[in-house]
Amino acid sequence: GQQVMQIPQYQHVQEGEDFTTYCNSSTTLSNIQWYKQRPGGHPVFLIQLVKSGEVKKQKRLTFQFGEAKKNSSLHITATQTTDVGTYFCAGRTSGTYKYIFGTGTRLKVLA
Amino acid sequence: DAGVIQSPRHEVTEMGQEVTLRCKPISGHDYLFWYRQTMMQGLELLVYFNNKAVMDDSGMPKDRFSAKMPNASFSTLKIQPSEPRDSAVYFCASSFQSIAGGARYEQYFGPGTRLTVT
Repeated sequence: GQQVMQIPQYQHVQEGEDFTTYCNSSTTLSNIQWYKQRPGGHPVFLIQLVKSGEVKKQKRLTFQFGEAKKNSSLHITATQTTDVGTYFCAGRTSGTYKYIFGTGTRLKVLA
Repeated sequence: DAGVIQSPRHEVTEMGQEVTLRCKPISGHDYLFWYRQTMMQGLELLVYFNNKAVMDDSGMPKDRFSAKMPNASFSTLKIQPSEPRDSAVYFCASSFQSIAGGARYEQYFGPGTRLTVT
């Protein structure tokens, strides 16, 4: 079945450093979404990417969708303590409305 | 809107007991999803509904789990009998199909139910 892997599993950074998490799907995706889950909280939608090679920015966050629509990345510039949490990608294949969530990357930011 | 509402927020039960988790989606949303989150398995999709009909329940253990959506504003996930390996946080999420600006199915998650089976 479809699998979505993320690396790294954990990342500790000093406040102000950059952070990147990578998402890889075993199958070609129709679109991919990114979510953030704070410790003890629930996943919160960040963004959706649909087009091959698409790049979207939200303030310090940059999201990319690969040309083959099988991988994606999230890059955070100059991390802040408010960025702490687990970042999940979630991919959907054509013909279904269900999303398969990635394994997640847990980010810790040291002040 | 109050967002997705789940109850109870915490449930502690003994092995073999029946557990019922409840979810009220956001009004107007036509998709409802049940997920289970554990440290080992991450976020797993158990079942999802579209307009109250089950679309995919391939992730749900059929022998002990059942999910229903009797109306557009209520869904239940039942576990009978419960086992210690069912201990997890169960999330309900809802979404709606929006064509404007490209199809979007962003999911709005509820606060979750933390289930502990002893």
